[in-house]
Amino acid sequence: ETGVTQSPTHLIKTRGQQVTLRCSSQSGHNTVSWYQQALGQGPQFIFQYYREEENGRGNFPPRFSGLQFPNYSSELNVNALELDDSALYLCASSFGTGGEAFFGQGTRLTVV
Amino acid sequence: GENVEQHPSTLSVQEGDSAVIKCTYSDSASNYFPWYKQELGKRPQLIIDIRSNVGEKKDQRIAVTLNKTAKHFSLHITETQPEDSAVYFCAHQGAFSGGYNKLIFGAGTRLAVHP
Repeated sequence: ETGVTQSPTHLIKTRGQQVTLRCSSQSGHNTVSWYQQALGQGPQFIFQYYREEENGRGNFPPRFSGLQFPNYSSELNVNALELDDSALYLCASSFGTGGEAFFGQGTRLTVV
Repeated sequence: GENVEQHPSTLSVQEGDSAVIKCTYSDSASNYFPWYKQELGKRPQLIIDIRSNVGEKKDQRIAVTLNKTAKHFSLHITETQPEDSAVYFCAHQGAFSGGYNKLIFGAGTRLAVHP
């Protein structure tokens, strides 16, 4: 186990709704990155949070947003859900922005 | 310049044989190359990594080689066992403008080890 935990593990939402996913980083880690993994594909980088600020973003629209808290846990928020948002959402924590990344077990989001 | 190509997409071997997965990247600034193993329904697990100042790294039955000139790196698994069956992802990481790093993943290789 990596010490990175995500909640919930599974979620079903309706198109147009909003969702919040949560991630607790491994003890001692100050950086959280979020990834989207569609079925049969590799994870795609959404954004990274370092010391409570977003310091990098992938090719995702603004309706994907996030937060990092003083204890370095993080949230991923997705507004106006679309069917294509159905995927496994992974968070990874690391110490510093370039350190080894350890993944949580993921949240499986299904949009219907 | 961020993509990474991973081959093969599927690999089937007999128990005890070796398996090799290759990745090619294009970003010359990449300096960190991890490999992840993902079993069905589980999280990606870091199994080995290598940094750009090293050409080869080995950990028991797993080894990774890096050729920075040719911009490719490979995962080698020797004496494969059925529990090695999983999807393997290569990734690379480099510094991007703004000072952050991100992992760019390959599409994955589904390895099946048959008893």
